[in-house]
Amino acid sequence: DAGVTQSPTHLIKTRGQQVTLRCSPKSGHDTVSWYQQALGQGPQFIFQYYEEEERQRGNFPDRFSGHQFPNYSSELNVNALLLGDSALYLCASSSLGTGTYEQYFGPGTRLTVT
Amino acid sequence: AQTVTQSQPEMSVQEAETVTLSCTYDTSESDYYLFWYKQPPSRQMILVIRQEAYKQQNATENRFSVNFQKAAKSFSLKISDSQLGDAAMYFCVIYGGSQGNLIFGKGTKLSVKP
Repeated sequence: DAGVTQSPTHLIKTRGQQVTLRCSPKSGHDTVSWYQQALGQGPQFIFQYYEEEERQRGNFPDRFSGHQFPNYSSELNVNALLLGDSALYLCASSSLGTGTYEQYFGPGTRLTVT
Repeated sequence: AQTVTQSQPEMSVQEAETVTLSCTYDTSESDYYLFWYKQPPSRQMILVIRQEAYKQQNATENRFSVNFQKAAKSFSLKISDSQLGDAAMYFCVIYGGSQGNLIFGKGTKLSVKP
């Protein structure tokens, strides 16, 4: 049973560029949440997708957008990258459809903005 | 708004000994869940233990157990027979029934001495 997978593992971008991160949820899960984890901090919620719709959003600017596909996989897009966007981006999956609230995390994508 | 406070930035324990990590939280939700997640240096966030707020019995998972004091809004994690592999950052996390996201504390870095 494959767990949550994310790609790429590492990414280096230049300020002002755009980036797309990808996530495949754990088998049987229908909900994907994205978190940003700055160095030495706890993860901060970006947004959550369920049934291909953004269900909830944290306190992040519109430069952060996402998408969920019919197979439940998801993308996180960040436009006009800032140095402060450098962080570990974590994807987590769960199953709202079955009332399973535990979120299972992927290994993360380390984004460095120079 | 929900908040989680971990007042111990760092803790240390001798191998085979017992250690307790503290956590307090605040929420206006009547239905919520509490979790402890572990993040080793490999950065994969791993669910350690969960507690449903409506359950009075404290959760236990092998060497890990919690002390859930609902009235005091306290949720501590006890690790018995500590092992070298327990060394990691531990996050106390709350999930509110009407919210879609996890709220993380700032974490406690646990070191295990051989």
